[in-house]
Amino acid sequence: GENVEQHPSTLSVQEGDSAVIKCTYSDSASNYFPWYKQELGKRPQLIIDIRSNVGEKKDQRIAVTLNKTAKHFSLHITETQPEDSAVYFCAAPKGYGQNFVFGPGTRLSVLP
Amino acid sequence: EAGVVQSPRYKIIEKKQPVAFWCNPISGHNTLYWYRQNLGQGPELLIRYENEEAVDDSQLPKDRFSAERLKGVDSTLKIQPAELGDSAVYLCASSFRGYTGELFFGEGSRLTVL
Repeated sequence: GENVEQHPSTLSVQEGDSAVIKCTYSDSASNYFPWYKQELGKRPQLIIDIRSNVGEKKDQRIAVTLNKTAKHFSLHITETQPEDSAVYFCAAPKGYGQNFVFGPGTRLSVLP
Repeated sequence: EAGVVQSPRYKIIEKKQPVAFWCNPISGHNTLYWYRQNLGQGPELLIRYENEEAVDDSQLPKDRFSAERLKGVDSTLKIQPAELGDSAVYLCASSFRGYTGELFFGEGSRLTVL
């Protein structure tokens, strides 16, 4: 089955700096890769996603890059702000199915 | 439009007691998921429904957990009897059937077993 790993588990950056979180997956049939943000005590919410037919997608300060050959995808946040502080989860579907396997999460702290 | 609604938000029970969680997905979403999230970890799938059919319950501890989705809309997840290790946040999510895309999560039900 699908195995999803995330690195780093915690990340602290100064406000205004960039943050990068990497996710690796094992199932080569996976074709959809979302990133969820979960603020303390809140529900996970999708912030960006990418499908396997593209290598990069950008939405304002956040971007996701995908390397299907190496089976990893990364979340990039530029010009970080205190409100970016949260836990970020990557996920990958089991093959072409709809069962998502989530990574263990990365706790991002943006220091003022 | 209302999002995914879950209740109760918080529940504290003694071990061996039963507990039930309720979820109302977004209207029109045929696929419903129950996830369990332990502290400091990512959500783990317990069961997935397509309409009223449980299409994947391989991760559901069937000796004590049960779930139902009558009429293919609301769903209930039950634990009986609860154990200390069941303390976690139980998240319900929904999505469009047949579409590998965004999951819409509820706020979750935080269970504490004493």
